[in-house]
Formats: sequence, C-alpha cells, structure tokens
Amino acid sequence: AQKITQTQPGMFVQEKEAVTLDCTYDTSDQSYGLFWYKQPSSGEMIFLIYQGSYDEQNATEGRYSLNFQKARKSANLVISASQLGDSAMYFCAMRAPFSGGYNKLIFGAGTRLAVHP
Amino acid sequence: NAGVTQTPKFQVLKTGQSMTLQCAQDMNHNSMYWYRQDPGMGLRLIYYSASEGTTDKGEVPNGYNVSRLNKREFSLRLESAAPSQTSVYFCASSEGLADRAGNTEAFFGQGTRLTVV
Repeated sequence: AQKITQTQPGMFVQEKEAVTLDCTYDTSDQSYGLFWYKQPSSGEMIFLIYQGSYDEQNATEGRYSLNFQKARKSANLVISASQLGDSAMYFCAMRAPFSGGYNKLIFGAGTRLAVHP
Repeated sequence: NAGVTQTPKFQVLKTGQSMTLQCAQDMNHNSMYWYRQDPGMGLRLIYYSASEGTTDKGEVPNGYNVSRLNKREFSLRLESAAPSQTSVYFCASSEGLADRAGNTEAFFGQGTRLTVV
C-alpha cells in the first residue's frame, strides 16, 4: 500500500533563512510522482512543485526545491530565503495508481510552518 | 478560468439531515475526487471518479455517496449527517490518465466547511 509520512507536525524558521520540510513515502511502484502543496490560513490548496520518479534532477520552482533521494524514499521540500508569507501548512502527496490504471493523490498529515520576523 | 468550483462554502447541519455538496470543473479533466481534511490527518480520499461514468471508494467512504453527473460535475451526498462528518471537504480534479508518467497535479476547489451538530 502507498503511504506518505510527514514527521514534523510543526516547524519554525527565521525570515530569510532556509528550511527543510521532511517527507518519506512508501510504494512498490516504479513509476510515481511526488507533489508538494501549500495551504495558507485562507484554506485553499496551492500546488508548489512536482518530482517524477524517473527525473534525474531535483525539481526546482523559484525558492522551492525538492531534495529527492530515491533510495531512501524521501522527497523533502526546501524553501530558501523564507518569507512571512510562507507561513502555512505544507502537504506532501504521491500519485498512486488505483483500479483501471488511473491515478489518485494520497497525502501526508502535513507540516505547519511558521516564519518569524 | 474558474478552475474547480465548490458550493456551498459553509454549512451547518443537524444530525440526521442530508445534503449534497456540489463540485464543477472547467478544465476538461477526466478524474475528480472528494477529500476530507481533519486536523492532524491531512487529506483523506472519500471517493473518486477516474472518468465520466465511473466512481469508486477511497479511504473513508462510509456515510457518503457520490454522483459523476457528467464530465464537469461530481457531487458528494451525505444521506444522514453525523457529528463525525464535521470536516472541511475538498473537491479536486486532475488529468488522471492511465499510466501517465508526467505531472498530474490535482487542482482543488476552495473547500466546504461543514459542521454537524
């Protein structure tokens, strides 16, 4: 069965510093995708970054990068130069197959990040 | 583009009442999903629809029914609401194509905050 584990319920970081949010996953599939979403206090889910299992390079999107270590089954999100607006809940998710060959997303429990001035 | 639209945004029900949460997407996506979000548990999949005309159970389907009315619309029905169904409900859609190796990010609605008293 597929599973996503986020072991940090809460994190805090000083403004302008970098922070790493941990994510480990479990799957027996060879082809899968890993996603990070941000949920600010307003409640919407915002897609941040994607990493495919066959991608050799770590994904980057602006200040976000994904530290993908396939052998360890980890997909940590790194936020560089934190800003106050980065304070939010962050979810790691994995694309997993379901019946009929189609895909669904399963989510971890999330990490709440607080950025301090 | 409206993306994924959910109605209503807020709802209070009495135990035993029924209601339907509506969801529509305008991105021509094949797959649609209903998730519930509870503190400390991330997003859990209730039901999904891989394509028009198909629906299947997710992780926590008990107490819910769904209808994929057409390719655009996917509704979630609570036949007899219980306090345990107090949650924030998210509808999402994605390409969800079979064996798609690329980015199949899910796009989310704004959520429905449901309280059952």
